[in-house]
Amino acid sequence: DTEVTQTPKHLVMGMTNKKSLKCEQHMGHRAMYWYKQKAKKPPELMFVYSYEKLSINESVPSRFSPECPNSSLLNLHLHALQPEDSALYLCASSQSGYGYTFGSGTRLTVV
Amino acid sequence: QKEVEQDPGPLSVPEGAIVSLNCTYSNSAFQYFMWYRQYSRKGPELLMYTYSSGNKEDGRFTAQVDKSSKYISLFIRDSQPSDSATYLCAMSGQDTGRRALTFGSGTRLQVQP
Repeated sequence: DTEVTQTPKHLVMGMTNKKSLKCEQHMGHRAMYWYKQKAKKPPELMFVYSYEKLSINESVPSRFSPECPNSSLLNLHLHALQPEDSALYLCASSQSGYGYTFGSGTRLTVV
Repeated sequence: QKEVEQDPGPLSVPEGAIVSLNCTYSNSAFQYFMWYRQYSRKGPELLMYTYSSGNKEDGRFTAQVDKSSKYISLFIRDSQPSDSATYLCAMSGQDTGRRALTFGSGTRLQVQP
């Protein structure tokens, strides 16, 4: 299995809602990442988990809360988002300094 | 100055042309160099990766890295309409365990049939 699976593919949420994005990989990769991508821009790093511990938080607002329940799963909990948070949220995993595998992303719209 | 510079395009070529995509970078700590292809509304797909300087070929794709000039390239031979996508260069190093990618801004490529 050489895939990173993200669910849901699309999500529309109100500014007062709580929702979660999920990411799963079974390649044995020990680093997992959340990226945010706005239209016609490159992905921007949000969080890095290394061996299930949060190692990098790129000054992301607290309305985004990551969680890594085990070595295969990564969640991103969303609460009280703003319309400007609408974007494609990408999960990725890697074993070393190269060969990152991205999921197809969750397209989030905040209304 | 951005750490990684990439011409955003768009770049329009006829089918069968050779395409050259390039990035320059400023951080000497980068050791891993990658090219991703991203179709509209999809996640990036890893095309090529190289470690340090050198060339790597895979089918119609050739990646080149020149660390002395801090310059990387991706060549696409016999380009096809299906190659129409955004191409992102990406790099990472091993400083203090940070292995997150630094991306270029992406080059939009359109291959005309």
